[in-house]
Amino acid sequence: EDQVTQSPEALRLQEGESSSLNCSYTVSGLRGLFWYRQDPGKGPEFLFTLYSAGEEKEKERLKATLTKKESFLHITAPKPEDSATYLCAAPPANQAGTALIFGKGTTLSVSS
Amino acid sequence: DADVTQTPRNRITKTGKRIMLECSQTKGHDRMYWYRQDPGLGLRLIYYSFDVKDINKGEISDGYSVSRQAQAKFSLSLESAIPNQTALYFCATSDQRETYNEQFFGPGTRLTVL
Repeated sequence: EDQVTQSPEALRLQEGESSSLNCSYTVSGLRGLFWYRQDPGKGPEFLFTLYSAGEEKEKERLKATLTKKESFLHITAPKPEDSATYLCAAPPANQAGTALIFGKGTTLSVSS
Repeated sequence: DADVTQTPRNRITKTGKRIMLECSQTKGHDRMYWYRQDPGLGLRLIYYSFDVKDINKGEISDGYSVSRQAQAKFSLSLESAIPNQTALYFCATSDQRETYNEQFFGPGTRLTVL
């Protein structure tokens, strides 16, 4: 069964304290691993797509990496405005071009 | 203006009422989706549409129906609302020309069924 699992469920950091969020997946023939940011009461906002193992992408204090079994979202020197829920997702293996399977998210809180 | 808009943004209704949630997009995308989000359960797919004539059920379609009135419009209906349909509903779009199916989400509709 195709699954996307995120850990931890919640993460509290001090401003400037770097850390990583994990997304593990069991989707055969991965056709993209997506990261989104979601603020409370708002729609998910696209961050990155990773296509193959070894790929990395960066945006400000965020860097996403991908292996054959998992993806990491590294947050370097976070600021309070980085507080949000981070979602990862992947398309199911047997349904080309369809909807995404989402993990339940990691809620990040950064305090000053 | 937002690329993906949803109306209404908030709705409170009673059990048994028929409700329609609307989604419009200006991105020119062919594919549109409806998801619901519940605390602890994440985003789950209700229906998706590849074009005006192609509509497909998702993971949790029971109790819902959809209508794709045009390329840019995709509506979700609750024929007889029940309290466990209280949730945050999101519309999303993607471009069929993109192999990896990056999706763009609307701002959401918060629905409460009493």
